[in-house]
Amino acid sequence: DTEVTQTPKHLVMGMTNKKSLKCEQHMGHRAMYWYKQKAKKPPELMFVYSYEKLSINESVPSRFSPECPNSSLLNLHLHALQPEDSALYLCASSGQGARNEKLFFGSGTQLSVL
Amino acid sequence: AQSVTQLDSQVPVFEEAPVELRCNYSSSVSVYLFWYVQYPNQGLQLLLKYLSGSTLVKGINGFEAEFNKSQTSFHLRKPSVHISDTAEYFCAVSGYSSASKIIFGSGTRLSIRP
Repeated sequence: DTEVTQTPKHLVMGMTNKKSLKCEQHMGHRAMYWYKQKAKKPPELMFVYSYEKLSINESVPSRFSPECPNSSLLNLHLHALQPEDSALYLCASSGQGARNEKLFFGSGTQLSVL
Repeated sequence: AQSVTQLDSQVPVFEEAPVELRCNYSSSVSVYLFWYVQYPNQGLQLLLKYLSGSTLVKGINGFEAEFNKSQTSFHLRKPSVHISDTAEYFCAVSGYSSASKIIFGSGTRLSIRP
């Protein structure tokens, strides 16, 4: 199994809603990432978990809250988002926990904030 | 710190023609280099990577890239493109340290004309 699975594929939420994005991998990878990608732009790193511990937070606003319940799962909890947070949210994983390894990406969650 | 520049935001080519997508990087230390492809409504997928050794790297789908240290370039080439190669292509760089993050270029949109 060489897949990173993200759910849901699409999400529409209001600014007062609370929602969660989910990511799962069964490759035994020890590093997991959240990226944000706006249209026609490269992915921007948000968070990195290495061995289930948060190792990088790229100064992301607190309305985004990551969680890594176990080595296979990564969540991104969303609360009180703004319309400018609308984007494609990509999850990725890599094998040994090093940040410069090959990344395996999921297909993303397309988020629209109304 | 590393940075990467993709000189062309869009490259239109005819089907079965050759293509070159340009990438230049900047770094004060040795680097790893990557090319990722993103098909519409998908996450990113690794095409190829340069870690060390032979400067000509072969990847999936008939793509190859050549590492040129003196020109700090890592251009991607394919001798004959297909309609299915229509996608966004991202060059990326990271340092040797396991703590080095992968930095993505701004992307090149490859559009194939029949």
